[in-house]
Amino acid sequence: NAGVTQTPKFQVLKTGQSMTLQCAQDMNHEYMSWYRQDPGMGLRLIHYSVGAGITDQGEVPNGYNVSRSTTEDFPLRLLSAAPSQTSVYFCASSYDHTDTQYFGPGTRLTVL
Amino acid sequence: AQKITQTQPGMFVQEKEAVTLDCTYDTSDPSYGLFWYKQPSSGEMIFLIYQGSYDQQNATEGRYSLNFQKARKSANLVISASQLGDSAMYFCAMRENIYNQGGKLIFGQGTELSVKP
Repeated sequence: NAGVTQTPKFQVLKTGQSMTLQCAQDMNHEYMSWYRQDPGMGLRLIHYSVGAGITDQGEVPNGYNVSRSTTEDFPLRLLSAAPSQTSVYFCASSYDHTDTQYFGPGTRLTVL
Repeated sequence: AQKITQTQPGMFVQEKEAVTLDCTYDTSDPSYGLFWYKQPSSGEMIFLIYQGSYDQQNATEGRYSLNFQKARKSANLVISASQLGDSAMYFCAMRENIYNQGGKLIFGQGTELSVKP
């Protein structure tokens, strides 16, 4: 199993550009989520999904869109990047009743 | 109000000694889970240990144990026999509504642990 994979590892965008951060898992997990990590603020939940076709907002959803067409994939879209979205983005998934979430390696995004 | 509070931004411990990282939480949900994650300088998030609100015993995983005091709403991580490789940022997290998949993971701000040789 590859676990949770994320691409790209690093990305630099200009303000106003759009892009999609990819996340995939091969563990047949139903629950997937996106977090952003900013210095001194821990991780904050952006969006999450409890299964294919079902998504919901987390703590900081503005400026981001998600969709879940398959169990394996959960892409995060930035529609019009802003410098405030400069952060490290983590994707996570979980399956069992303890809901332990396993994280991908992260994507470091810089918006100029 | 903060749901997860980690009051120690940074800590030092001598190699081979034990260290306790503090975590307090706030919830009115009777069904919740508490997690600890380690984030080394390489950036990945590594799951360490889990404690459910209904678990009668404190969780242990190798050198990691969780000192769960439900009445005080604290879930401190104890690392025994510290190693240099334990130097990292440690995050406490909580998930409410634990038995349904819709629960959200809420993180504290983290504690940076440095192990001295």
